[in-house]
Amino acid sequence: GQQLNQSPQSMFIQEGEDVSMNCTSSSIFNTWLWYKQDPGEGPVLLIALYKAGELTSNGRLTAQFGITRKDSFLNISASIPSDVGIYFCAGINNDMRFGAGTRLTVKP
Amino acid sequence: GAVVSQHPSWVICKSGTSVKIECRSLDFQATTMFWYRQFPKQSLMLMATSNEGSKATYEQGVEKDKFLINHASLTLSTLTVTSAHPEDSSFYICSAERAGAPYNEQFFGPGTRLTVL
Repeated sequence: GQQLNQSPQSMFIQEGEDVSMNCTSSSIFNTWLWYKQDPGEGPVLLIALYKAGELTSNGRLTAQFGITRKDSFLNISASIPSDVGIYFCAGINNDMRFGAGTRLTVKP
Repeated sequence: GAVVSQHPSWVICKSGTSVKIECRSLDFQATTMFWYRQFPKQSLMLMATSNEGSKATYEQGVEKDKFLINHASLTLSTLTVTSAHPEDSSFYICSAERAGAPYNEQFFGPGTRLTVL
């Protein structure tokens, strides 16, 4: 099946630092999505990417759809404590598949 | 808009009992809803796709007789865990698909934490 490899698995950073995480796949996806999940909650969509090479920002978040359509990255600039959570990438072809998640901890 | 609710938010039950979880799209109609399962510190695993007015489509390895899905209306899907056992304890999350372009977006519910004693 379509496997998404998301890394890193976890990150421990200081408030104010920038964060980068990525997803790669052996398969091509038509759409890449990035979600954030707070503890005990469902995922919330952060950014959606529709075209290869597309670079999209949402506040301090920036994500890119890789040229090969097999990868995507998410950057968070100037992290703050409320950025804590699990970030998931998801790729869509006929269905949606999730990466394993990146657990982010931000120290004040 | 695009709010999805789940009920209950948490449930504790005895082994052998059945538990029903509801997923509702509050402000849009969803022909398709999805049920996910999430173990601690793990990703979301798709269990089944729920289609209004037809049988659900289950992912490989998911027992359809154990996890009964009923998509009775365009705003409601239910997941019933039958004869629950401790290994069924997990966080169950539904999502509802809203038609749109360039893709049909999924909106997630807040999840239901099931603990089977």
